[in-house]
Parts: sequence; structure tokens; C-alpha cells
Amino acid sequence: ETGVTQSPTHLIKTRGQQVTLRCSSQSGHNTVSWYQQALGQGPQFIFQYYREEENGRGNFPPRFSGLQFPNYSSELNVNALELDDSALYLCASVYSEGLVTDTQYFGPGTRLTVL
Amino acid sequence: GENVEQHPSTLSVQEGDSAVIKCTYSDSASNYFPWYKQELGKGPQLIIDIRSNVGEKKDQRIAVTLNKTAKHFSLHITETQPEDSAVYFCAAREGNTPLVFGKGTRLSVIA
Repeated sequence: ETGVTQSPTHLIKTRGQQVTLRCSSQSGHNTVSWYQQALGQGPQFIFQYYREEENGRGNFPPRFSGLQFPNYSSELNVNALELDDSALYLCASVYSEGLVTDTQYFGPGTRLTVL
Repeated sequence: GENVEQHPSTLSVQEGDSAVIKCTYSDSASNYFPWYKQELGKGPQLIIDIRSNVGEKKDQRIAVTLNKTAKHFSLHITETQPEDSAVYFCAAREGNTPLVFGKGTRLSVIA
């Protein structure tokens, strides 16, 4: 067990809807990253939050947004869902300070299906 | 930005044999190289990692080697067992930048 939890496990939505995915970081971790993993592919970086501020973003449109809370839990929000958004969404937490970043641990993921 | 290539995409070995998965990276500034194992329906699980100040690291049946000059790193699994069957991902990162993953290797260990 990594100490990183995600909810829900599975989710089915229809095109155009909005979805919120949740992540609870491992205790002591101040940085959370979200990844999208399409079937048969490696995880693709969406964005990262450090101490409640977004401090890095991958090649994803603005309809992908997030929040990190004071207790370091996090949300990923996706608006105007498209069929291609169907994927496994992973969050990963790590302790980071300055140039030092420890080992990153992943949660089990949320499987999102868009119909 | 960083680009990570991983080979092979699929690998079948007999139980007890060794398995080797190789990755190359493009950014010479990358200094952290983890390997993750992902089983069906689960998130990636870290199995071993190496930093750029080390050339090799071992943990029981698993080892990772790093060649900074050639910009490649490899995962070695010895005495493979059926429970080693999974998808393995390599990744690379510089400092506190996001991990960049390879496309994965599906390892099948045949009993």
C-alpha cells in the first residue's frame, strides 16, 4: 500500500458532462501530480500542485483543472467531457522542497468511461 | 523536453529465466530514474529507482543499471516468477519536474 487513495474507483459519464475525481495524499507529502493513462499507454502528466498552487502543467486544455487543499488532498475536475477523456486517472504524491524531490507514489486510479 | 523510449513493448520468458527491459532518455539533465510495475486494474507501483550519482542498484531479484554517457537505463529481473507478469514502466525526471514515462513493457512469465 502506498498510502495514496482515490475515489471513486470507477465512473461512467456522458459526453458534455463534468466530473470531479478525488485524491488523498500520503501523510507528509506536499506535492500532488495528476496523470492520464489511456489504454495501453504510459501515464501522461496533466498538472502538479505544490502547497495549493499549480506549479506545472502538461499538454492538456483548460477544461482540465484542479485544486489542492490545506490537508494536501486534491481534486481533478474535467468539464465538457469528450469521448477521448476515457482513461485511467492517476494521482501521485511526493514530498518536495527546493530542488529535492523524494520518491513519488501512485494511487490506484479512477477509471473514467465517457459514453 | 524529456522523451523516454522503452523496449521491448512485449516480452515473454520462461519461469526462472532473466528478463531485461531497456529505456533511453533524451535530456542529459535528468537525474532520477524510477521503474514501476502495474498490474491489471491497479495503479503503478514503484519497484526500484536510481539516481544519477549511482551506476547500479539491486534489490533482491531486481536490479537497475544506468549509463549516463549513453543516456540509457535498464531493469533486470532474475529468476522470474509468474507473479512478475505485469506491465513495467520506466520514467525519467530532472530535479522536481514531472516524471516522463515510457510506453511500457508487457512481461509474461510462462510457468
